[in-house]
Amino acid sequence: QSALTQPPSASGSPGQSVTISCTGTSSDVGGYNYVSWYQQHPGKAPKLMIYEVSKRPSGVPDRFSGSQSGNTASLTVSGLQAEDEADYYCSSYAGNNYFSVFGTGTKVTVL
Amino acid sequence: QVQLQESGPGLVKPSQTLSLTCTVSGGSISSGDYYWSWIRQPPGKGLEWIGYISYRGSTYYNPSLKSRVTISVDPSENQFSLKLSSVTAADTAVYFCARYVGPLVIIDYWGQGTLVTVSS
Repeated sequence: QSALTQPPSASGSPGQSVTISCTGTSSDVGGYNYVSWYQQHPGKAPKLMIYEVSKRPSGVPDRFSGSQSGNTASLTVSGLQAEDEADYYCSSYAGNNYFSVFGTGTKVTVL
Repeated sequence: QVQLQESGPGLVKPSQTLSLTCTVSGGSISSGDYYWSWIRQPPGKGLEWIGYISYRGSTYYNPSLKSRVTISVDPSENQFSLKLSSVTAADTAVYFCARYVGPLVIIDYWGQGTLVTVSS
């Protein structure tokens, strides 16, 4: 099972928006509504930001939103803040007994 | 609040077996529709599934590692463990234990991670 494809980097100025894509196939992203997104600061464990494509866990700011079209999912961070600078990983269900696959990761820089 | 904590050697020699244990606190490993998971991250690289186990003992392993991986669970100690055999330098990584919610396909709790270096 191949990793989902994300751009290596993305950036924006404070207050702006940044959108990260996550491209898979009809066997994972495109086949199910089970895309999630994780934020990881350096030296820390990842943190769940979005699940089931567009749902936010309690405590995650509404500046974070998710969407999906076909085999590509997207995470948008609106109103960028300095603390949003981190690595972001998507993940998708890939069938077969709850197995899922991670994306390649995107480093978001706040300029 | 569920907490997970990895423990085990930080240095393993090539060809030997890497062994890690994850202790779960704040909740029972035997409750709920959870899968107790191991994920690793080589330095400067992305996340990679190793595998997971249910409290009943059903397992799933990443096909690329399946021949070398064993994950076990000890409900009486509220712990689960990872063994990775015949390690090489490519197995050097931060190893995370985590709680995977199967029906939602999400990881809701992570350990802090532990760096394991494979070197002679």
